[in-house]
Amino acid sequence: DSGVTQTPKHLITATGQRVTLRCSPRSGDLSVYWYQQSLDQGLQFLIQYYNGEERAKGNILERFSAQQFPDLHSELNLSSLELGDSALYFCASTEGTGDSNQPQHFGDGTRLSIL
Amino acid sequence: DAKTTQPPSMDCAEGRAANLPCNHSTISGNEYVYWYRQIHSQGPQYIIHGLKNNETNEMASLIITEDRKSSTLILPHATLRDTAVYYCIVLTSGNTGKLIFGQGTTLQVKP
Repeated sequence: DSGVTQTPKHLITATGQRVTLRCSPRSGDLSVYWYQQSLDQGLQFLIQYYNGEERAKGNILERFSAQQFPDLHSELNLSSLELGDSALYFCASTEGTGDSNQPQHFGDGTRLSIL
Repeated sequence: DAKTTQPPSMDCAEGRAANLPCNHSTISGNEYVYWYRQIHSQGPQYIIHGLKNNETNEMASLIITEDRKSSTLILPHATLRDTAVYYCIVLTSGNTGKLIFGQGTTLQVKP
């Protein structure tokens, strides 16, 4: 158990819809990272938040947004969903801002299926 | 961030040591070598990391060559549950810590 909690585990929805994925980091961790894993793209970094502030952005679509709340949990919002958004979405957390000597710990992911 | 090269797949007999190589010939002095694994579609699991010295923990050992251009992850007594995709990642200090995953090595542990 990594200590990172993601909900829901599975999500099935239709094209054009909007969903929210939730992540609770490990106790004491201030940074939250979101990653997407699709069959054709592998694991890709989307966005990082540190203590409520956006810190780094990766290949995140404009239809996607995220935020980190005062209690440090984070939500990833995906809107105008397309078939290609079907993927596993992972959240990871680490204690600091992302110092290279601090490993990230991953949750079990949310499997999103777009019908 | 330095790029890494790993063999796409490897086999290992159960109970034997699994040695997974990684080439990172363009690594810089402040870049760490990290190893993660992903079992089926579970979340990536942190294994070990190091800068210059060899490292060992309860899961594995990491051997980094003196010139730091390559490393080897050693699972001392592989079990069937170690079957997974293993990712070698080089991480630069101060880059926010985002992980850039390659294709990794699929390790198949066989009975």
